[in-house]
Amino acid sequence: DTGVSQDPRHKITKRGQNVTFRCDPISEHNRLYWYRQTLGQGPEFLTYFQNEAQLEKSRLLSDRFSAERPKGSFSTLEIQRTEQGDSAMYLCASSSLLTRAPTDTQYFGPGTRLTVL
Amino acid sequence: DQQVKQNSPSLSVQEGRISILNCDYTNSMFDYFLWYKKYPAEGPTFLISISSIKDKNEDGRFTVFLNKSAKHLSLHIVPSQPGDSAVYFCAARRDNDMRFGAGTRLTVKP
Repeated sequence: DTGVSQDPRHKITKRGQNVTFRCDPISEHNRLYWYRQTLGQGPEFLTYFQNEAQLEKSRLLSDRFSAERPKGSFSTLEIQRTEQGDSAMYLCASSSLLTRAPTDTQYFGPGTRLTVL
Repeated sequence: DQQVKQNSPSLSVQEGRISILNCDYTNSMFDYFLWYKKYPAEGPTFLISISSIKDKNEDGRFTVFLNKSAKHLSLHIVPSQPGDSAVYFCAARRDNDMRFGAGTRLTVKP
């Protein structure tokens, strides 16, 4: 098990373009989370999946953002019509429901750093 | 709304000494607290956690203390080592709602 992986690690795009990021969670984990982190801040919750169901979305997740987890394994986060304010580190985390809450610890991937020019 | 605050953006300690990182929270509904460590170009790595029903949890050189009445938790690292130099994030959770502090950059000098 190599942990949570994210692809790409870095993405530079022009304002108005669409971008898509991928997250592969730890294989036996059924919960998957997306966070955004800007400079000097901690991660901010965006959305959460349990298996393939998207159960929660933050108000930070505007209608330009969409996340999917079609088969309950990997997830994608798409940002449409990117804006300079979208520049941030996008982190993915996973956890296992098999471990009863509150010990449902989230394990993070390395993140995708997005720069919108 | 910043429900989790780490008021010290940086901390520098000498190798072998104790490092104490502090965190305050405002929401009394949080029932689980975690510390994560982050190295440059990596995602946060889980370090240690504590349930709200406890006031102390120890794991090797790392101890987390929770003072519920003060809504305050702290992470003690003793003895500190140069490899501990990183950004430390405090997080507080209720169900699937986890909030992070802004982080404290710890530098351990040889």
